[in-house]
Amino acid sequence: DAGVIQSPRHEVTEMGQEVTLRCKPISGHNSLFWYRQTMMRGLELLIYFNNNVPIDDSGMPEDRFSAKMPNASFSTLKIQPSEPRDSAVYFCASGGTVYNEQFFGPGTRLTVL
Amino acid sequence: SQKIEQNSEALNIQEGKTATLTCNYTNYSPAYLQWYRQDPGRGPVFLLLIRENEKEKRKERLKVTFDTTLKQSLFHITASQPADSATYLCALDGDSSASKIIFGSGTRLSIRP
Repeated sequence: DAGVIQSPRHEVTEMGQEVTLRCKPISGHNSLFWYRQTMMRGLELLIYFNNNVPIDDSGMPEDRFSAKMPNASFSTLKIQPSEPRDSAVYFCASGGTVYNEQFFGPGTRLTVL
Repeated sequence: SQKIEQNSEALNIQEGKTATLTCNYTNYSPAYLQWYRQDPGRGPVFLLLIRENEKEKRKERLKVTFDTTLKQSLFHITASQPADSATYLCALDGDSSASKIIFGSGTRLSIRP
């Protein structure tokens, strides 16, 4: 298995632009999680899905952030419009067991100028 | 609300010694606790899980303890090696949903030769 796949690995954009991050979870895993990591705030859970259904989006910072999971093998996190304070590393993780061990992707490093 | 505390200061250990990292939590009684390793530029990697009814878990040179009375977990690396240098994060299941994992801020461990 290739593990969790994220794209792009790096994204540099200008303030106000739309950003779309993509994730392919591990096949057979039922849960998918989006995290954001910064030096100041550490690893923050943004939203998670169970069986493609959003369960908890209380970590999504603002309405500018949205996430979808149209099928079991694909999810997107969109920021529109982006702002410099959104600069961070965004991780996608999938979990499939009762105890939800998280399998993280390599992350997308987002820089908003 | 739940709070997870890990020693924010970096831990420097001489090679061959045992490294001990601490994870304290408040305002919750988790069903299980997980430990992850994160290297620079990479996503966290799952290491060990310990359930609330287990006091100790071992995996090769790693040992985790879970004291639900003290609300504390200790993570030990015996016979430490420079390759063990990384940031180690503990994580708990969220109180509102067993699918939700809450991460601590991590402790950076450096093993000097």
